Amino acid sequence: DVKVTQSSRYLVKRTGEKVFLECVQDMDHENMFWYRQDPGLGLRLIYFSYDVKMKEKGDIPEGYSVSREKKERFSLILESASTNQTSMYLCASSLREAGPSSSTDTQYFGPGTRLTVL
Amino acid sequence: AQTVTQSQPEMSVQEAETVTLSCTYDTSESNYYLFWYKQPPSRQMILVIRQEAYKQQNATENRFSVNFQKAAKSFSLKISDSQLGDTAMYFCAFMKPVLVGNMLTFGGGTRLMVKP
Repeated sequence: DVKVTQSSRYLVKRTGEKVFLECVQDMDHENMFWYRQDPGLGLRLIYFSYDVKMKEKGDIPEGYSVSREKKERFSLILESASTNQTSMYLCASSLREAGPSSSTDTQYFGPGTRLTVL
Repeated sequence: AQTVTQSQPEMSVQEAETVTLSCTYDTSESNYYLFWYKQPPSRQMILVIRQEAYKQQNATENRFSVNFQKAAKSFSLKISDSQLGDTAMYFCAFMKPVLVGNMLTFGGGTRLMVKP
């Protein structure tokens, strides 16, 4: 079974703090993704990475940065947390290419981190 | 850019009955994939079903099936014989296959409650 884990299920931080969210996958997937989930808005892509040290901006990258030093680990960084970053954060991973088999493009999700910024 | 719309924020269904969740999308692409993901309360999001746009046949997975209407850009999910464990948020998602990334664009979600 594919396993994607996230460092915390719940996190409470203060405005202005630097926040690290960690994600680890054990299936040797090339692609890793960070989403935030807000009611009525679904999931929105913050950043993704297709290889070690490679990253691309998603739809809402402002206020966030990422790091991928090892293939299995993808970190989301909030340099200076703000109250509008209170949200559920989901990490996902997938193989590199979409293809005829569902296993090649299915994204596998972690349990999520509910972040509250006070 | 692609957009995905789920027009039903909440739905409910009696156990053992059938329910259909709606999804429409907007794209100019001809080759793409569509997905339904399920997020049970306090549990991880999992894939329910996927559909390749080049296939005319509707995908089915046990009690879950889709009605894919490419011209209408519609991708609805039908759940037959609903079970209490089907209670969850359901997200429709679109993916355009590319060389790197294969990003998903999600709809806003439909919260489904199955009542005993």
